[in-house]
Amino acid sequence: QVQLVQSGAEVKKPGASVKVSCKASGYTFTSYGISWVRQAPGQGLEWMGWISAYNGNTNYAQKLQGRVTMTTDTSTSTAYMELRSLRSDDTAVYYCARDALPPGSFDLWGRGTLVTVSS
Amino acid sequence: SSELTQDPAVSVALGQTVRITCQGDSLRSYYASWYQQKPGQAPVLVIYGKNNRPSGIPDRFSGSSSGNTASLTITGAQAEDEADYYCNSRDSSGNHHVVFGGGTKLTVL
Repeated sequence: QVQLVQSGAEVKKPGASVKVSCKASGYTFTSYGISWVRQAPGQGLEWMGWISAYNGNTNYAQKLQGRVTMTTDTSTSTAYMELRSLRSDDTAVYYCARDALPPGSFDLWGRGTLVTVSS
Repeated sequence: SSELTQDPAVSVALGQTVRITCQGDSLRSYYASWYQQKPGQAPVLVIYGKNNRPSGIPDRFSGSSSGNTASLTITGAQAEDEADYYCNSRDSSGNHHVVFGGGTKLTVL
């Protein structure tokens, strides 16, 4: 079954870091990129960045540069997104999505991981 | 500009046709993709490229583009089509970033 399975919900304090995982199955992991998209409560979708599962190249949204790191582990077909120096406005559901063709078309999504930042 | 603009809300009578639009400079260079999102669920790709539907998406969904405007058309809207719809595309600034529209809430009356 082709799917992306994400890690569970997290509660973090301001200033902390969070690392969300996204395990792919049912397809050749290294044949696609993975984008991360977040959605604050009641808000729209925000693209965070992209990583090539083939060679690890990354491309991050300008507003998150310096706070976000995306990595992959090809041995386990898993992508990771780490966000540091968390603030209350980072509270959101974080999705991983498979980046298909044309680039920017996300044809497979994880169910999302709720990250709550609260003191 | 790296923004995509959508109407916040649109309504359609059951069985009628509705068009949801997405405007932005990047659409002069790149096709939009369209996503349907129902409450509490992840988005689902419904249209990509010039006018392509992923497997399992009903043929009442179609896409088109002209100039800086992309459109998603639902011909014969069903109750289950009530959802939020988002467009996205590559950013036209050359940095290979992706931009989303703000979303359109579709109500089926």
